Amino acid sequence: DVKVTQSSRYLVKRTGEKVFLECVQDMDHENMFWYRQDPGLGLRLIYFSYDVKMKEKGDIPEGYSVSREKKERFSLILESASTNQTSMYLCASSLIGGRNEAFFGQGTRLTVV
Amino acid sequence: AQKVTQAQTEISVVEKEDVTLDCVYETRDTTYYLFWYKQPPSGELVFLIRRNSFDEQNEISGRYSWNFQKSTSSFNFTITASQVVDSAVYFCALSEPLETGANNLFFGTGTRLTVIP
Repeated sequence: DVKVTQSSRYLVKRTGEKVFLECVQDMDHENMFWYRQDPGLGLRLIYFSYDVKMKEKGDIPEGYSVSREKKERFSLILESASTNQTSMYLCASSLIGGRNEAFFGQGTRLTVV
Repeated sequence: AQKVTQAQTEISVVEKEDVTLDCVYETRDTTYYLFWYKQPPSGELVFLIRRNSFDEQNEISGRYSWNFQKSTSSFNFTITASQVVDSAVYFCALSEPLETGANNLFFGTGTRLTVIP
């Protein structure tokens, strides 16, 4: 069974903290994505990666960075967390090529206080 | 720029009614893919269907059907004889293949469907 696993389901962090959200997939997918989901705004792409050490900015990369040192793992980093980064974060992966559907993790609900 | 619009924020129907979820997209690409995903209350998005830009055939899968019309840039989703288990948020998405072979994936804002028993 295909699997995308996010390290935490719920996370509470303080303003100014450096936050790491981890995502692992076991399907040998080339593409990995990070989205944030907010009410009324749908899913907005933060960053995606199509290969190890390769990354591309999405629609809302400001305040975030990513790391992909191994094919199966894609990390989202909040350099200095702020309250406006309180959100649901979704990781996804897919085979390379536009026709391939993405598989999603269960999401991490991050609260920054 | 790519854009996906789901104008219906929330829809409520009574069980066994038919319901259509609208999706309109914008792209300058001639080759692209469209998707529908379902997000049940548990939160994990589930893939429902894919359609490529060269295939305008409608598709039916059980109670689900999809109508892709390139002329109006629409990819609408109809649920026939709705059931309570269909209650979820439904997302339409557009994939943009890139020169690198990777693909971006843009989502609409979603439509929350509530089926009332």
